[in-house]
Amino acid sequence: KNEVEQSPQNLTAQEGEFITINCSYSVGISALHWLQQHPGGGIVSLFMLSSGKKKHGRLIATINIQEKHSSLHITASHPRDSAVYICAVSSNTGNQFYFGTGTSLTVIP
Amino acid sequence: DAGITQSPRHKVTETGTPVTLRCHQTENHRYMYWYRQDPGHGLRLIHYSYGVKDTDKGEVSDGYSVSRSKTEDFLLTLESATSSQTSVYFCAISESRATEAFFGQGTRLTVV
Repeated sequence: KNEVEQSPQNLTAQEGEFITINCSYSVGISALHWLQQHPGGGIVSLFMLSSGKKKHGRLIATINIQEKHSSLHITASHPRDSAVYICAVSSNTGNQFYFGTGTSLTVIP
Repeated sequence: DAGITQSPRHKVTETGTPVTLRCHQTENHRYMYWYRQDPGHGLRLIHYSYGVKDTDKGEVSDGYSVSRSKTEDFLLTLESATSSQTSVYFCAISESRATEAFFGQGTRLTVV
């Protein structure tokens, strides 16, 4: 049983395309996190949100608490956006995070 | 960048030997976590700490122990390494369970 499910698992896009990655979760949360992991690299936090929407440059994250669903959008995608994007939630009981298995994004020039 | 350092970054060890990985932070964050990342599984929690000498098990804690004698250091020990413990290990820190988490660069451990 996975507390966090992401889709799609793999995504290939042409440069400039609008990209959406989805995340659904089944536990009560205090916050949802979107993380980015480049090949061979570490993990970087992109967003933390508990309601509504956040925007940072070409990245937009939204969350619907009632539906237990979040989306990460990338506008005008670029090859440097190629990475694995991971959705994680902070449980509102206990002291841990639950992680999705990640979405591997490849943006082709 | 958050001040979090993992050491070593790469290690190859033999089956049956003990191994200790270190996570060091300069942020004075209360929570520290050890995860392993394997293909098809995402990140899985091994152990975490919510304060000095306060630790608890995660979902994949068998074969691992941890210690936190100082706020800044969280050690992960494999008492007797097995090939199934070949993985990439990530340390993370956060001020609380509801705040942003910061990750170390990872340690690639190979048990032969």
